Amino acid sequence: GAGVSQSPSNKVTEKGKDVELRCDPISGHTALYWYRQRLGQGLEFLIYFQGNSAPDKSGLPSDRFSAERTGESVSTLTIQRTQQEDSAVYLCASSYLGGNLPYEQYFGPGTRLTVT
Amino acid sequence: ELKVEQNPLFLSMQEGKNYTIYCNYSTTSDRLYWYRQDPGKSLESLFVLLSNGAVKQEGRLMASLDTKARLSTLHITAAVHDLSATYFCAVVRPIIIQGAQKLVFGQGTRLTINP
Repeated sequence: GAGVSQSPSNKVTEKGKDVELRCDPISGHTALYWYRQRLGQGLEFLIYFQGNSAPDKSGLPSDRFSAERTGESVSTLTIQRTQQEDSAVYLCASSYLGGNLPYEQYFGPGTRLTVT
Repeated sequence: ELKVEQNPLFLSMQEGKNYTIYCNYSTTSDRLYWYRQDPGKSLESLFVLLSNGAVKQEGRLMASLDTKARLSTLHITAAVHDLSATYFCAVVRPIIIQGAQKLVFGQGTRLTINP
């Protein structure tokens, strides 16, 4: 079936502009995660959504970052007043909270954000 | 704060050789993953290790977990060029929402296998 999809695949923006990144999770996956991957680094957890529960925002690096999710579907990550240090690949993952390996995360292809 | 450290961070090797990547983590966890990432691509799950002494093998890759030492290894046997990629280990930690878990990643090991 279809995997996690993200759009756009690449985004170049000027410093100070706002950007919105989109994630479509696998159908039926109630959990959704956002991660950031800076060049040559591992992934940093940003935010987690689970159904209608309040999201865990503990990984968001500043108040310029926010994310929303409608029910168990699409999520958008918004970065306001972008800075050059925001340049990274933003990865989305989703998981199903049942089966033999609950919480196993399936990753999307990522959005490469470049702030000039 | 959970920390996950991999070594080496860079590894260049010849085809046919064996090598091991190490993943150390600082606090108790009940699950560890190994992922592969090709340049410009997303992460592909290779192994999930659930218990002390767990060993899993797929082709030329074998992963093991020692929860007492907080150490996992990824062993490459008779390397081939197709295994060139960046390999990440990731350890599960609970997050605020009950029952939820997040992954804490190592820095990654960039593996280059030369023909």
